[in-house]
Amino acid sequence: AQRVTQPEKLLSVFKGAPVELKCNYSYSGSPELFWYVQYSRQRLQLLLRHISRESIKGFTADLNKGETSFHLKKPFAQEEDSAMYYCALSGPGTNAGKSTFGDGTTLTVKP
Amino acid sequence: DAGITQSPRHKVTETGTPVTLRCHQTENHRYMYWYRQDPGHGLRLIHYSYGVKDTDKGEVSDGYSVSRSKTEDFLLTLESATSSQTSVYFCAISETTGRYNTEAFFGQGTRLTVV
Repeated sequence: AQRVTQPEKLLSVFKGAPVELKCNYSYSGSPELFWYVQYSRQRLQLLLRHISRESIKGFTADLNKGETSFHLKKPFAQEEDSAMYYCALSGPGTNAGKSTFGDGTTLTVKP
Repeated sequence: DAGITQSPRHKVTETGTPVTLRCHQTENHRYMYWYRQDPGHGLRLIHYSYGVKDTDKGEVSDGYSVSRSKTEDFLLTLESATSSQTSVYFCAISETTGRYNTEAFFGQGTRLTVV
């Protein structure tokens, strides 16, 4: 069975500090990993996905198959990064919408 | 934003009444999904559809049914609402392009309260 674990429900950092949101997964195969973000009163939207290897809004995430992790990182957090972040997984051939989501991490960036 | 809208946005209903939530898309995406979002549980898949009249159950399908008679509409019905179904419901759409899956595009959510 596929599973996504986000160990931190709440994470608080000061503006300008580095931030790392953890995501671990279990999947027997080669999954596709995603990070979604939900800003206050807005819909969930894709932040980044591992296959694109992009940096979005200063965030990066590297898929570590050995540690089965896909941690989200940003070197200098901004107040506008305060949001709920979800890590999600889907299998190859399985549509991205039918993903398994973690429980989410609420990030608060304090001024 | 992807053309996906949910209605209603908010609803309060009484225990035992039927409730139908609607998801409408203008993107002509093949796949549509209903999730519920609850504190401490993240997003959980209720039902999904991979084409007109083609649907399947998700992780938490008990007490819910769906229908998709047109590509653009995906309806979620609570046959007899219970308090445990108080939640925020999200519709999502997606497509496949070649080898990889596209991202999921989400609606704005429907906040349902069962009293």
